[in-house]
Amino acid sequence: QKEVEQDPGPLSVPEGAIVSLNCTYSNSAFQYFMWYRQYSRKGPELLMYTYSSGNKEDGRFTAQVDKSSKYISLFIRDSQPSDSATYLCATPQRGGYQKVTFGTGTKLQVIP
Amino acid sequence: GAGVSQSPRYKVAKRGQDVALRCDPISGHVSLFWYQQALGQGPEFLTYFQNEAQLDKSGLPSDRFFAERPEGSVSTLKIQRTQQEDSAVYLCASSLASNEQFFGPGTRLTVL
Repeated sequence: QKEVEQDPGPLSVPEGAIVSLNCTYSNSAFQYFMWYRQYSRKGPELLMYTYSSGNKEDGRFTAQVDKSSKYISLFIRDSQPSDSATYLCATPQRGGYQKVTFGTGTKLQVIP
Repeated sequence: GAGVSQSPRYKVAKRGQDVALRCDPISGHVSLFWYQQALGQGPEFLTYFQNEAQLDKSGLPSDRFFAERPEGSVSTLKIQRTQQEDSAVYLCASSLASNEQFFGPGTRLTVL
């Protein structure tokens, strides 16, 4: 079992839809969670960084962590074609430096 | 300033050849990471440098993989006697201490 599990998709939605992307993790010691966005033939870029359970909002993006069920979500409101990318959930394995463990990534396509 | 750059962007090697992949981190970034991303997968940690010191090489898949960062800036990932299973995108990331990692565009290695 991988430490971070993610449905690879692909997920296809119409422009303007609300998108829900989800991950589960296995190690209850994980405390920090991140969402990265990766465009085709580019490196990942950090979207959201959360620590505690609950919601964190940044513009059209909301990250949600439920530590009781080990479940991480990213919601995208009013999705745009420019949101078409692969979204990776991730967690650093230990403190001091961020040796990041990534999920498989979910490929999202927003259709105009 | 410029982001993380990697060269070459694409590399085709015959099985058994040695390859060298270069990473130029963001100026002043102390930490440097190498990741391997297979097709349809998330990045997998390979190794970590703090300045010129290689502090973690636990992710290197075999002794054919070697990384160095002799002057604490540019890093090279070398793969000896390449095998088909080495085909992947190799990503480099840099960061200030334990902060956000900034990824380069990656080098796509294809071993024939």
